[in-house]
Amino acid sequence: QKEVEQDPGPLSVPEGAIVSLNCTYSNSAFQYFMWYRQYSRKGPELLMYTYSSGNKEDGRFTAQVDKSSKYISLFIRDSQPSDSATYLCAMSANDYKLSFGAGTTVTVRA
Amino acid sequence: DTEVTQTPKHLVMGMTNKKSLKCEQHMGHRAMYWYKQKAKKPPELMFVYSYEKLSINESVPSRFSPECPNSSLLNLHLHALQPEDSALYLCASSTQQGYEQYFGPGTRLTVT
Repeated sequence: QKEVEQDPGPLSVPEGAIVSLNCTYSNSAFQYFMWYRQYSRKGPELLMYTYSSGNKEDGRFTAQVDKSSKYISLFIRDSQPSDSATYLCAMSANDYKLSFGAGTTVTVRA
Repeated sequence: DTEVTQTPKHLVMGMTNKKSLKCEQHMGHRAMYWYKQKAKKPPELMFVYSYEKLSINESVPSRFSPECPNSSLLNLHLHALQPEDSALYLCASSTQQGYEQYFGPGTRLTVT
C-alpha cells in the first residue's frame, strides 16, 4: 500500500463546475498538507498548505484536512480552462521530505 | 517573491559528457532540494541541503554530485549519465520547517 493514495483520473469537467480532488494517507506522523498544481512540462506550483486538521480558503480554492479520517481534499470553484493541469497532493512530517500522491489530471472544457 | 530559477531549461548530453545544472533562490530559504521527475510521475527527492550542508541523500548514484556554494545557490553536477536518467530535474527551496517547498521550472535533461 502506498503512503499517499490519489486517484490519477483523468477528470474532465465543464467550465464553471466545481472540481473536487482528494487524497488519503496512512502515516499518522504527517502534519502539513500541501496541494501543488503542475502544468505540462513545468515545475509544480504550491497552491495551498494546511497545518493539521481544518479548512483553508484562498480565492476559488478550498483545502480541507481531516486527520481523524486521514483524508484531504481540494475544491476549485467556478473552474476555468486555465485550471486544466495535474494536481498533486503532498504531505510532510516536518522532516524535509514530501510524500506525493500520484497526481490527478484535470481538464476543464470551455 | 516566491521564485526559484533554474538553468538551463533544456540540456542534451552524451553519456561521456560532464555538465551542471544550476538553481538560485532569493527568498532567504535555508533548505534547498533536488528532485527528479519522470513523465506522469510525482517528483522523487534526490538531495536536501540545510544551511549549505548536505543533510539527505536518497541513495542517489554517484554520477549525480550536488553542491551548495552558498545559501542562494545549488548545483547538480552530472557525469557519465545513462539514458534512463533522462527526466525533468527540479530544484526547490523552503524554510527550515521543510514543508512549504517552492519549486523552480525545472531542467529537461535528455541523455543520448
